[in-house]
Amino acid sequence: AQKVTQAQTEISVVEKEDVTLDCVYETRDTTYYLFWYKQPPSGELVFLIRRNSFDEQNEISGRYSWNFQKSTSSFNFTITASQVVDSAVYFCALSEAPGTGFQKLVFGTGTRLLVSP
Amino acid sequence: NAGVTQTPKFQVLKTGQSMTLQCAQDMNHEYMSWYRQDPGMGLRLIHYSVGAGITDQGEVPNGYNVSRSTTEDFPLRLLSAAPSQTSVYFCASSSVGTNEKLFFGSGTQLSVL
Repeated sequence: AQKVTQAQTEISVVEKEDVTLDCVYETRDTTYYLFWYKQPPSGELVFLIRRNSFDEQNEISGRYSWNFQKSTSSFNFTITASQVVDSAVYFCALSEAPGTGFQKLVFGTGTRLLVSP
Repeated sequence: NAGVTQTPKFQVLKTGQSMTLQCAQDMNHEYMSWYRQDPGMGLRLIHYSVGAGITDQGEVPNGYNVSRSTTEDFPLRLLSAAPSQTSVYFCASSSVGTNEKLFFGSGTQLSVL
């Protein structure tokens, strides 16, 4: 069975600090996809990134970066120079291979990030 | 482009009442699904559909019914609401392709008293 673990329930940082959100996954599939979603206080789910199991290159998008390591089954998310607007709950999720429209996502329990001014 | 639209946004029910949460998408997506979000538990899949007339169960299907008579709509029915169904419900849709991802609705907050 697939499983996603986000061990950090809540993280508090001061603005401009860097912060890393951890995600560890379990799957028997050789092909799978990993996602990060952001849920701001308004409640909607915002897609951040999708990464497939064959692509272990790190990715950077502005202040956001992701470190995917198959050897440790981790897909960690780092925010550089955090801002108050980054305050949200962040979810890591895992899916089987495409062709199912990624309808069967398995989510972690989320990490609440609070960035103080 | 409205994307995925869920109605209502808030609902309070009494135990035993029935109701339908509506979900509609205007992106001609083949795939649709329902998730529930509970504190400390992330999102869990209730039911999903891979096309009109085809549905299947997810992780937590008990107490819920779905049908998919059109590509656009995927309603979720609570037959006899229970306090354990108090949750935030999200509908999602997607299409198969190189840029596959889930598009989520804004959610329905349901309280069962």
